[in-house]
Amino acid sequence: LAKTTQPISMDSYEGQEVNITCSHNNIATNDYITWYQQFPSQGPRFIIQGYKTKVTNEVASLFIPADRKSSTLSLPRVSLSDTAVYYCLVGDEGGANNLFFGTGTRLTVIP
Amino acid sequence: NAGVTQTPKFRVLKTGQSMTLLCAQDMNHEYMYWYRQDPGMGLRLIHYSVGEGTTAKGEVPDGYNVSRLKKQNFLLGLESAAPSQTSVYFCASSYSLAGGKRETQYFGPGTRLLVL
Repeated sequence: LAKTTQPISMDSYEGQEVNITCSHNNIATNDYITWYQQFPSQGPRFIIQGYKTKVTNEVASLFIPADRKSSTLSLPRVSLSDTAVYYCLVGDEGGANNLFFGTGTRLTVIP
Repeated sequence: NAGVTQTPKFRVLKTGQSMTLLCAQDMNHEYMYWYRQDPGMGLRLIHYSVGEGTTAKGEVPDGYNVSRLKKQNFLLGLESAAPSQTSVYFCASSYSLAGGKRETQYFGPGTRLLVL
């Protein structure tokens, strides 16, 4: 099963770039890597998705090495409002539609 | 366009009682999902549905049943609630999976359930 592993927590000062890495050794060939953000008392919301190399949108960048066994979410110049839990999501090896969230990384942005 | 809605927002049950959580989406999504979230455990998939009239088990299905009689609704039932089912329940929906690219899931606001 394509479980994921992320750091439990990270702290960063405002204005810094934050990189959160997710390990997914059993990612399936056709699976994409998706990152979600969750604020307290809310459901997760989509941040970014990619298959390989690099993807960038207005919120973040996603770096995926050639072997796709890990991915790194990069948040440029974080602010206090970026304090949240970040989840890395991939499909399972069997190609079914089971979806496994990682344990999530709790990012705390410090003023 | 309300997106994904969940009812109720909060509920207290006694052990052995039953209840149904309702999820509704107005985006015409094929896929719908139920997750539970416990402290330190992240989100775990309970059941999911790939279309009207179909359901399948996720990672932690025991003690729950689901039904998808209408495309826009996905019901999660607890027949005999247990304290271990105290959790926050999230519903989500997405378009069909196409070409291996997993479509974005849209989540509801959650239902907080306390079983005494």
